[in-house]
Amino acid sequence: DVKVTQSSRYLVKRTGEKVFLECVQDMDHENMFWYRQDPGLGLRLIYFSYDVKMKEKGDIPEGYSVSREKKERFSLILESASTNQTSMYLCASDRGLAGGYEQYFGPGTRLTVT
Amino acid sequence: QQQVKQSPQSLIVQKGGISIINCAYENTAFDYFPWYQQFPGKGPALLIAIRPDVSEKKEGRFTISFNKSAKQFSLHIMDSQPGDSATYFCAASNSGGSNYKLTFGKGTLLTVNP
Repeated sequence: DVKVTQSSRYLVKRTGEKVFLECVQDMDHENMFWYRQDPGLGLRLIYFSYDVKMKEKGDIPEGYSVSREKKERFSLILESASTNQTSMYLCASDRGLAGGYEQYFGPGTRLTVT
Repeated sequence: QQQVKQSPQSLIVQKGGISIINCAYENTAFDYFPWYQQFPGKGPALLIAIRPDVSEKKEGRFTISFNKSAKQFSLHIMDSQPGDSATYFCAASNSGGSNYKLTFGKGTLLTVNP
């Protein structure tokens, strides 16, 4: 079974802190994605990556950056956390065409910024 | 700009009834339309997907109906069960591009009463 793990289920940070959210997948997937999920807004794509050291902006990249130094690991970075970044963050991965574009999601990290 | 519009936002159905969730898209380049199911505390998981070369796809009690001319697709859950209670997301993408990404609807919270 594909497994996507996220470093924390719950995280509380203060305004202005630098926050790292880590995601690891164990199925050698090329593509990895970071979403945020908010009530009534659905899933919105923040950043995605098609290869090591590659990154592409999603729909809401402002205030975020990412890092992909190894194929299995994709990190989301909040350079200076703000209260409007309080949200559920979901990581996903897939194999693209070879996997029928099925994305596998982690369980999410609920981040609260106070 | 919301490219995938999903309705209703919430839905309550009696056990044994039919649940219907609708989505409409704008981008005519979209050629892959998945539905994801999310239980509380879990990440979304692929439920069923369709491509525009067919008008319907059925997997067990779940059916996607697709209307290319109207740019609409819908999920039908037959004989709805309490275990189907979850949030459902439709999505769409242009899988032919090298930098494809999924655009999600805002989600539908389905409650199936026993």
